[in-house]
Amino acid sequence: GDQVEQSPSALSLHEGTGSALRCNFTTTMRAVQWFQQNSRGSLINLFYLASGTKENGRLKSTFNSKESYSTLHIRDAQLEDSGTYFCAAEAGGSNAKLTFGKGTKLSVKS
Amino acid sequence: GPKVLQIPSHQIIDMGQMVTLNCDPVSNHLYFYWYKQILGQQMEFLVNFYNGKVMEKSKLFKDQFSVERPDGSYFTLKIQPTALEDSAVYFCASSSPGAETLYFGSGTRLTVL
Repeated sequence: GDQVEQSPSALSLHEGTGSALRCNFTTTMRAVQWFQQNSRGSLINLFYLASGTKENGRLKSTFNSKESYSTLHIRDAQLEDSGTYFCAAEAGGSNAKLTFGKGTKLSVKS
Repeated sequence: GPKVLQIPSHQIIDMGQMVTLNCDPVSNHLYFYWYKQILGQQMEFLVNFYNGKVMEKSKLFKDQFSVERPDGSYFTLKIQPTALEDSAVYFCASSSPGAETLYFGSGTRLTVL
């Protein structure tokens, strides 16, 4: 089965609201990255975490390697937040090989 | 932030031909990667490369695939010969020693007819 299980697969938010995306890992991961893929297909780095929580503006991410999950919280969603969000995790000893989740397609509506 | 450039952004070729995808990684990065994304699906690891050698490759990295970075120039992915199932967007990424964050290019959309 998939090593990285991402949910939900799709999410619709009204501007100003918020929600959380989640990735569960079926094997021990040593780090996680979160990306936003925009409408042009470019991958934008959001966070890299080896543990704990990081915050950047309206985004906050947590990685709990012991319990094998990571979350990405979006608050006060804006139209430009629309896109597909991917988590990607790195197993120990993997030469930084990232295993991606299937993505969450976020649509922010006015 | 750091930029990885990929050339070309689109490539259309006939099945059986050779194609080379070019990647200009971030200037002080030493680790290089290729990922493949079929439309609407997740990114899948193909290969990583360091110090002139392939370190790890996935089962998607078929015998028809090869990578190199001659003399610090572009990091390239060559497919020879191409097959219909090679149609996808190919993303290059790079990272620096001791820093685990990977930076991705904007991808090359390859269409094999």
